[in-house]
Amino acid sequence: EVQLVESGGGLAQPGGSLRLSCAASGLTFSSYNMKWVRQAPGKGLECISYISSSSSAIYYADSVKGRFTVSRDNAKNSLYLQMNSLRAEDTAVYYCARVSGEKMGAFDIWGQGTMVTVSS
Amino acid sequence: DIQLTQSPSFLSTSVGDRITITCRASQGISSYLAWYQQKPGKAPKLLIYAASTLQSGVPSRFSGSGSGTEFTLTISSLQPEDFATYYCQQLNTYLFTFGPGTKVDIK
Repeated sequence: EVQLVESGGGLAQPGGSLRLSCAASGLTFSSYNMKWVRQAPGKGLECISYISSSSSAIYYADSVKGRFTVSRDNAKNSLYLQMNSLRAEDTAVYYCARVSGEKMGAFDIWGQGTMVTVSS
Repeated sequence: DIQLTQSPSFLSTSVGDRITITCRASQGISSYLAWYQQKPGKAPKLLIYAASTLQSGVPSRFSGSGSGTEFTLTISSLQPEDFATYYCQQLNTYLFTFGPGTKVDIK
């Protein structure tokens, strides 16, 4: 079964840090570009980070640029998001998603999400 | 940046109804558009990509059309499990931005 499983969410203080992980199974992880998408409570979906299969291309939304760092370890079938200088507005469910080149870049596999709460 | 708008924002409807959701892009994106369904507490689910191609396993009552700047998602006969929020997404640039969503609720 193709699966993405996020972990690492929780409560952090403003200005603090968290590291999210996304473990992939049942797929050739190293062949796929990946995305982090977040959803604030009661709000819509926001793409915050993109990483290509070989890590040669990395992009961030302006809202997280300079504070978040995406990385991957293809040997461990894992995707990461290092979140520093956290703000209250970073409170959201964070999803990792597979970017399907065969489907014009659509996100065909999603994790279940991990909740990040930034509060003092 | 490419901006997406969706209309309506909210749709109150009944089982068996035919509904159409419109997504408009601020500039032409050819057919680089996807549609997703999201239920409360769940991750989004891909329904349609390339504007009109049905994802494997998605019921045929879902269909998509359009190109350029205007796109539609149609559900031909709404089923109880279709009450959810629907998002369009542009695939034309690496930002892959989403529309604001359309919530489909039971009348």
